Amino acid sequence: DTAVSQTPKYLVTQMGNDKSIKCEQNLGHDTMYWYKQDSKKFLKIMFSYNNKELIINETVPNRFSPKSPDKAHLNLHINSLELGDSAVYFCASSQSGSTDTQYFGPGTRLTVL
Amino acid sequence: DAKTTQPNSMESNEEEPVHLPCNHSTISGTDYIHWYRQLPSQGPEYVIHGLTSNVNNRMASLAIAEDRKSSTLILHRATLRDAAVYYCILSNAGNNRKLIWGLGTSLAVNP
Repeated sequence: DTAVSQTPKYLVTQMGNDKSIKCEQNLGHDTMYWYKQDSKKFLKIMFSYNNKELIINETVPNRFSPKSPDKAHLNLHINSLELGDSAVYFCASSQSGSTDTQYFGPGTRLTVL
Repeated sequence: DAKTTQPNSMESNEEEPVHLPCNHSTISGTDYIHWYRQLPSQGPEYVIHGLTSNVNNRMASLAIAEDRKSSTLILHRATLRDAAVYYCILSNAGNNRKLIWGLGTSLAVNP
């Protein structure tokens, strides 16, 4: 039973294209996150939503737009992809008000050619 | 944001205990200490967390110094499956519990 799932697992695309990554969690959590892990393995938070409301928005180009249709889903849409967007993107979820332990998805490896 | 310092890499032998250190000298009174690990080609996985007292769970133990400026993750009997990057992270409710990730400690386990 997958707790946090992401699709697709791999995404290869050309510069300038628009793409989306989907994330779903079945843990009943109210908070979801998107992280980017670059080639140096730094894991950096991009966005966080709590009850569909944006609560963390790090310095991310506005080509990246998260969308949360409901508490169980947080999708990431990327416009005009650039070479530097190549990375592994992780979705995570947690329940606020507790210890905020985060549960991560398996990651989406994005390669921009 | 409070920072943590960890050794870049450590090595252990299978079935031996492993002590992974972490320094967090700028920790504030309300910061929780979290440990996560990331196995190769997988997403990070929660290991353990604590505030002031030592903690045990089925995966590991967390020993927190009395002044809270350092902590140690203890794997009691390392297995090959424990080879991963281990991250020590602080989180604070006042910062939306944002986790600030470092590069962690890459643990190699020898058979």
